[in-house]
Amino acid sequence: DIVMTQSPDSLAVSLGERATINCKSSQSVLYSSSNKNHLAWYQQKPGQPPKLLIYWASTRESGVPDRFSGSGSGTDFTLTISSLQAEDVAVYYCLQFYNTYTFGQGTKLEIK
Amino acid sequence: EVQLLQSGGGLVQPGGSLRLSCAASGFTFSSYVMSWVRQAPGKGLEWVSSISLSGAATYYADSVKGRFAVSRDNSKNMLYLQMNSLRAEDTAIYFCAKRGCIGDVICYFEYWGQGTRVTVSS
Repeated sequence: DIVMTQSPDSLAVSLGERATINCKSSQSVLYSSSNKNHLAWYQQKPGQPPKLLIYWASTRESGVPDRFSGSGSGTDFTLTISSLQAEDVAVYYCLQFYNTYTFGQGTKLEIK
Repeated sequence: EVQLLQSGGGLVQPGGSLRLSCAASGFTFSSYVMSWVRQAPGKGLEWVSSISLSGAATYYADSVKGRFAVSRDNSKNMLYLQMNSLRAEDTAIYFCAKRGCIGDVICYFEYWGQGTRVTVSS
């Protein structure tokens, strides 16, 4: 099974500042035939289902603000929020869908 | 607008059974693989099961294999999860989820239902 490890577990960032969340997979999630990374990012607020932010590691879902961006390839990935807004307070999860599905443990993002 | 409306959760004793339902609308249900994902109280997300377009192929996490059964009725745009021999560790919010890609291809989860709570306790 592919293990996904996020860092940090929690993060406090000032409004308007950059927030960076990392996700590392125990094996590559890059599909050689398509040259796509099978990695997605989700945002979950209390009492709500997860919301898709990024897929194929760097493609922003329609309607997601452009302050959210994804990068990385192979085993190391990053979700960046360029200028933190109050409504971005949430738990963020990465997901690998290369071999069944495995989520990271989540990163709790708060306002400093 | 894609909608996934869930029902069927509740309180059940250990060893008991429960069936969850997910009513889909706003997309061609038969063209998408569907899945179940759960979240234990205060914990992270865990994939539970997926089902192919026709329902002929089903997939399960090791933690539920042999106890849970996923099915779908494409004529009614419905997804189901039959949960048997329930254990305390099955206590969670269960989400149904639609994939983001048409067809039987490896893909991320795009839309999620609102979730339904399952509590296994005596």
